[in-house]
Formats: sequence, structure tokens, C-alpha cells
Amino acid sequence: DAGVIQSPRHEVTEMGQEVTLRCKPISGHDYLFWYRQTMMRGLELLIYFNNNVPIDDSGMPEDRFSAKMPNASFSTLKIQPSEPRDSAVYFCASSLGLAGGQETQYFGPGTRLLVL
Amino acid sequence: GDSVTQMEGPVTLSEEAFLTINCTYTATGYPSLFWYVQYPGEGLQLLLKATKADDKGSNKGFEATYRKETTSFHLEKGSVQVSDSAVYFCALRGKGYSSASKIIFGSGTRLSIRP
Repeated sequence: DAGVIQSPRHEVTEMGQEVTLRCKPISGHDYLFWYRQTMMRGLELLIYFNNNVPIDDSGMPEDRFSAKMPNASFSTLKIQPSEPRDSAVYFCASSLGLAGGQETQYFGPGTRLLVL
Repeated sequence: GDSVTQMEGPVTLSEEAFLTINCTYTATGYPSLFWYVQYPGEGLQLLLKATKADDKGSNKGFEATYRKETTSFHLEKGSVQVSDSAVYFCALRGKGYSSASKIIFGSGTRLSIRP
């Protein structure tokens, strides 16, 4: 398997623009997670899905952020409008389950976002 | 709530030195404990884990023992290599239904190994 795939790897945009990050989880994994990593706040869980259904979005910072998972092989994280403080590395991860040896999360390479 | 505290970095060592990165946790019950590693420019990957008290996780020469009495899961390696330079994250996953959903990560410890 190719692992978790994220695109783009790098994104530079101007404040106010819409940004869409994409993720393809490992085939057969039922759980998908979106994280944000910054120097100041470390690694933060934004939202996670189980079988394409959002389960916990309490980490989504505000209404400018939205995430979807239209099918088992694709998810998006959208920021509209983007702000400079959204600059971070965004990771997608997937896992088979949440327990019983299936909880290991496999991370993608991340999308490095810079909002000017 | 559940939390993980790990030693602040950066940690700089010479090749073949002994490594310890401290990690302590606060959780209800007996969580599962993990160490993840992030190499430059990459995402996190699982290094080792332990799911119950006194378990020892090991991988690539790294070890960590689940110590319930001290609520700790310190990462150790007897002889580090330059290729071990990375950021190391201690993490836990709670056992309760409401807490099992999230893996809670520590702030990360950057390790640099000098040749």
C-alpha cells in the first residue's frame, strides 16, 4: 500500500483565499483523522471520521474550517477564508480501529500551509 | 482530562550516547501508551507501544516500560545514531468509551545526534 496520501505537499496562499487540503487514507482503514501542527500549539486533533461519518469535530478551531469525507477513500479539509494564523502543517492519519491492536495511526507526509 | 507531559528539547547527544526521554501521563484508569517519531519532512510514525502495566515496548533499539506506579513511559536507547535525529512524541489513548477516541500527544522532544 502507498500509505496515506496528502495533497498538495505545500500551499502558499493569500489571506482571504479558500484553501482545500486533500487526503486519501490507507485502503480498509475505517478511521480518518485530521491534525494541525504548529510550533506554538504542537499537534492538535481537529476532527476524525468513522466510516465516512464525522464523529468528533470539537478540535475544529472555528467555522472557517470544514471537513468532509464523501467516500472511504477521500477526505478534504477546507479553510474559507484563510488567515495568516492558519499557517501550519496539516496531517491526515488513518487507522483500522480504535482499540485491540488496531489503534495505530498511520500519518501522511503533511501539507505545509503558508497564508500570507 | 487525560494529558501527557514530556521533557522539553532540544536534546543534543553524541553518537553512541545513552538516551532517555522522559514522559509522564495523567489518565483515568489504564491507558495505552505510545511513542511516535517524526523524521524531518515526514509525518509521525509509530515507534513502539504498551497496552498494560509493566509491558515493555521495543523497536529499533528503543525501549519504554509502562510504569503504573509512577505513571511514566520513558523512552530509552543504549547507543544512539545520527539517523535517530528526529522529534519524538509520547502519546496515550484512554480506555473509557468517551476517551478512547482520541490519541493525546505530548508536545514532542527534538533529538539531535552529533557524529
